[in-house]
Amino acid sequence: QSALTQPASVSGSPGQSITISCTGTSSDVGGFNYVSWYQQHPGRAPKLMIYDVSHRPSGVSHRFSGSKSGNAASLTISGLQAEDEADYFCSSYTTSSTLDVFGTGTKVTVL
Amino acid sequence: QVQLQESGPGLVKPSQTLSLTCTVSGGSISSGDYYWSWIRQHPGKGLEWIGYIYYSGSTYYKPSLKSRLAMSVDTSKNQFSLKLSSVTATDTAVYYCARGPATFGVVKPEFDYWGQGTLVTVSS
Repeated sequence: QSALTQPASVSGSPGQSITISCTGTSSDVGGFNYVSWYQQHPGRAPKLMIYDVSHRPSGVSHRFSGSKSGNAASLTISGLQAEDEADYFCSSYTTSSTLDVFGTGTKVTVL
Repeated sequence: QVQLQESGPGLVKPSQTLSLTCTVSGGSISSGDYYWSWIRQHPGKGLEWIGYIYYSGSTYYKPSLKSRLAMSVDTSKNQFSLKLSSVTATDTAVYYCARGPATFGVVKPEFDYWGQGTLVTVSS
């Protein structure tokens, strides 16, 4: 059962910027700076895109950026490209013992 | 370059035990800097973290699966394993192994390396 809420879908035209939200509570997103974002193309394993709210792993494009305000985190993709079309999941450290740390997932469509 | 690779049967009969192994290459599973996880994804659904293990053998399981779940580590082979007993059709999923950093004792859901995933179908 997903603990974090994301929009089911977000779309944009090439070159535009889009933002995906990830809403939790003070027990997870709001309470810690341990939010990660993953990109998953069909049939592939997830790829870490952002960690600790806003840090990019080596090799991840600067077009991807993360932020947080209160109990909600966001992933922004600027200069949208066809290759960005994928599913995106957020995750957050939580005080809950259930290991329910992932968001519901957002399908990004490039128009 | 760290790589993870899952292996195991792709078809398991109901009530039997699902067994998977993850082989780690390009890095040592004995590094205390990381923990090693199993994550599954039901067809067309989201990600579910089902548990993790340290090189020492210390484990943490998703409470709802705890009674059926067992993880182990073999540092000599640089592998860790998953056993899920009494499976039903609801255990049909792609199973991933993944690595996460153990930062100051905090187990963050931050998975930097993943296996390619293996589909396990529970069916008679």
